[in-house]
Amino acid sequence: DGGITQSPKYLFRKEGQNVTLSCEQNLNHDAMYWYRQDPGQGLRLIYYSQIVNDFQKGDIAEGYSVSREKKESFPLTVTSAQKNPTAFYLCASSTEGAREKLFFGSGTQLSVL
Amino acid sequence: SQQGEEDPQALSIQEGENATMNCSYKTSINNLQWYRQNSGRGLVHLILIRSNEREKHSGRLRVTLDTSKKSSSLLITASRAADTASYFCATVRSGNTPLVFGKGTRLSVIA
Repeated sequence: DGGITQSPKYLFRKEGQNVTLSCEQNLNHDAMYWYRQDPGQGLRLIYYSQIVNDFQKGDIAEGYSVSREKKESFPLTVTSAQKNPTAFYLCASSTEGAREKLFFGSGTQLSVL
Repeated sequence: SQQGEEDPQALSIQEGENATMNCSYKTSINNLQWYRQNSGRGLVHLILIRSNEREKHSGRLRVTLDTSKKSSSLLITASRAADTASYFCATVRSGNTPLVFGKGTRLSVIA
């Protein structure tokens, strides 16, 4: 089945710890995105990548880092610099550029212990 | 920053009724998209309407776009309990930048 796989579904972070959220897609999409969603809120863009080995900051990139070494993978690291990391994180991908239909993963809920 | 704002924030209707959600945006757009999100899940693309289109249909969904008013509406006809979800509009601000999502409308369809 083609799609986007996010793991884990639930993740807990201790204070001062870095954690990495996985996002893998087998849709052969060039572009991938990370969004953050807080309760009752819309999605806010963290980082996006339109091609391998290149990525751009979104609206709320501080405290996060990404890499895009392979077309299929776009992991997100939530660093200790992110003081309020509790949120639902969504990964998405699209075929061309950023204007067209996005395909989303099922999300990772990150909580702080 | 939010480009689109949905209205109302929450909507509760009886099964079989129609549900209408509205979206207003601020800048010129190439297209406007509507997505659905079930609780605790990812978003699913419903429909895309381009700036040169005024109305589009997909099954029980009808989307309109008024670029002069910078607004769009999503109509779900003959709603079902399974339509209970949050609905988001999304637009592209400029150039090739990623989609910007509104805060969504929470729809509850009561059986």
